[in-house]
Amino acid sequence: KAGVTQTPRYLIKTRGQQVTLSCSPISGHRSVSWYQQTPGQGLQFLFEYFSETQRNKGNFPGRFSGRQFSNSRSEMNVSTLELGDSALYLCASSPVLAGGADTQYFGPGTRLTVL
Amino acid sequence: KNEVEQSPQNLTAQEGEFITINCSYSVGISALHWLQQHPGGGIVSLFMLSSGKKKHGRLIATINIQEKHSSLHITASHPRDSAVYICAVKGTSGSRLTFGEGTQLTVNP
Repeated sequence: KAGVTQTPRYLIKTRGQQVTLSCSPISGHRSVSWYQQTPGQGLQFLFEYFSETQRNKGNFPGRFSGRQFSNSRSEMNVSTLELGDSALYLCASSPVLAGGADTQYFGPGTRLTVL
Repeated sequence: KNEVEQSPQNLTAQEGEFITINCSYSVGISALHWLQQHPGGGIVSLFMLSSGKKKHGRLIATINIQEKHSSLHITASHPRDSAVYICAVKGTSGSRLTFGEGTQLTVNP
């Protein structure tokens, strides 16, 4: 099976712009979680989707949003970008709800730089 | 105080040494994960534990639920083990993971 794919891999944006990142889970996986990794804060949970429904959300402002499609592919959107949004954004998929009884499989990440 | 704390933050070892990385947490959990992150960002899930001990090749992970503590051991370490090792816990309500800050391991030949 193909692994988790994320596009684009690298992105440069300027403050105030918006960005959409995409994640395609492993075939058959229905749960997709998103994480932000920065040098200062480490890995932080953004949100989790299962069967097109947001099941959990981390402590991030409303500028961060996401959705999941019927084929389990997921997108996350960040509006009104700030310098502090520069980070590695990782998604992970699992057959069942992430963090439960199943392993999460991580994608390679999208490195976002905000200038 | 972070909910998940790892020690040490940095660890340098010689090839062949036995390595231990520790993780302590302060909340009730339903599962604990050990993750490995190589330069460039790719993350691999090594173990998921809810009790006892698991072994995979040269890697061993243990958890003591009463003491809220887990350890990751690497036997006969090798330079390819050089990576950041991250402990993450899933609480008893909800599915989100809370992460430790990671341990940077460098194994010299």
